Amino acid sequence: EDQVTQSPEALRLQEGESSSLNCSYTVSGLRGLFWYRQDPGKGPEFLFTLYSAGEEKEKERLKATLTKKESFLHITAPKPEDSATYLCAVQAISNAGGTSYGKLTFGQGTILTVHP
Amino acid sequence: DTAVSQTPKYLVTQMGNDKSIKCEQNLGHDTMYWYKQDSKKFLKIMFSYNNKELIINETVPNRFSPKSPDKAHLNLHINSLELGDSAVYFCASGCWAGPINEQFFGPGTRLTVL
Repeated sequence: EDQVTQSPEALRLQEGESSSLNCSYTVSGLRGLFWYRQDPGKGPEFLFTLYSAGEEKEKERLKATLTKKESFLHITAPKPEDSATYLCAVQAISNAGGTSYGKLTFGQGTILTVHP
Repeated sequence: DTAVSQTPKYLVTQMGNDKSIKCEQNLGHDTMYWYKQDSKKFLKIMFSYNNKELIINETVPNRFSPKSPDKAHLNLHINSLELGDSAVYFCASGCWAGPINEQFFGPGTRLTVL
């Protein structure tokens, strides 16, 4: 069974204090790893997709990286508006060699709070 | 301009009632999903439809019945509501067979069963 574990559960930073969020995963065959941002009372907002180990993607102050066992979301010089819950999810290739029909398995999320 | 929309935003009802949640996407995607987010914010897939055909049906009580009249709409009907059904339900859409696999989520429907 696919599993995703995120750490830490909560992270408090001062504005400008860079840090990283971790997403560890086990999956039979990885089709893609996804990062989402979720603000209170809203739906998850897509940030990144990573497909293979060594891949990196950046967006503003965020950079996502991927290894064969985990992904990191690096936040550089965060601002209060970066405060949100960050969700990691994996999409697996089925054992039959087909697709998992797009099923996403999510971690429990990291609640990030950035203080001014 | 809304990509994935859901109605209603909030739903408060009594145990034993039947209710429906509607979802529509205008992204041209061929696959739609229902996810449930519990009180601990954990998101878990419930159902998926591809071109109006049910392709994922996780371990969900049969009181939950999804229906897809066309590939732009996916509704969720819940019979005999129970206290444990209280959660936020999210609709999402994506293209499962293509090279780009991102799913885009709606704003959610907060269901409270009293």
